[in-house]
Amino acid sequence: DSGVTQTPKHLITATGQRVTLRCSPRSGDLSVYWYQQSLDQGLQFLIQYYNGEERAKGNILERFSAQQFPDLHSELNLSSLELGDSALYFCASSVSPGTENTEAFFGQGTRLTVV
Amino acid sequence: GQSLEQPSEVTAVEGAIVQINCTYQTSGFYGLSWYQQHDGGAPTFLSYNALDGLEETGRFSSFLSRSDSYGYLLLQELQMKDSASYFCAVRGGYNKLIFGAGTRLAVHP
Repeated sequence: DSGVTQTPKHLITATGQRVTLRCSPRSGDLSVYWYQQSLDQGLQFLIQYYNGEERAKGNILERFSAQQFPDLHSELNLSSLELGDSALYFCASSVSPGTENTEAFFGQGTRLTVV
Repeated sequence: GQSLEQPSEVTAVEGAIVQINCTYQTSGFYGLSWYQQHDGGAPTFLSYNALDGLEETGRFSSFLSRSDSYGYLLLQELQMKDSASYFCAVRGGYNKLIFGAGTRLAVHP
């Protein structure tokens, strides 16, 4: 158990709908990352938050948005869903920048299926 | 921006040694990490190199050459359970972590 919790584990929804994925980072970790992994593909970096602020953005679609709340949990919102959005969405957390500990801990992911 | 290249697939037999290479182009480079992911599972951390040289952790070793923008993961005494995907990842500013496309390792008896 990495200590990172993602809910829900599975989500099936129709095209055009909107969903929210939730992530609770490890206790004490201030950085949260979101990644998208399509079938047999790599981990595509979407966005990173640090202590409530957006710190880095990857190839995140305009239909997607995220935020990190004061209690450090994060949510990824996906709207106007398309079939191609079907993927495994991972959240990861790590300690604050500038420390020697560089490991990112991943949750078990949310498998999103758009039908 | 950042880009990483690694082979898409590697095949080896039990007990053998395999090396997975990774070349990268990035700004604000702080170090190179390696992660393992079994099918259907979450990526798990294997190693991190911030400085040039070899880091050894049991059967796994990782190497970095900052001047060549190159690193590799060396897996020794391969076991069937090592069959998985292996990702190199560049650590940039603000602890940003960008992953390569991954190398699928198949270990055969």
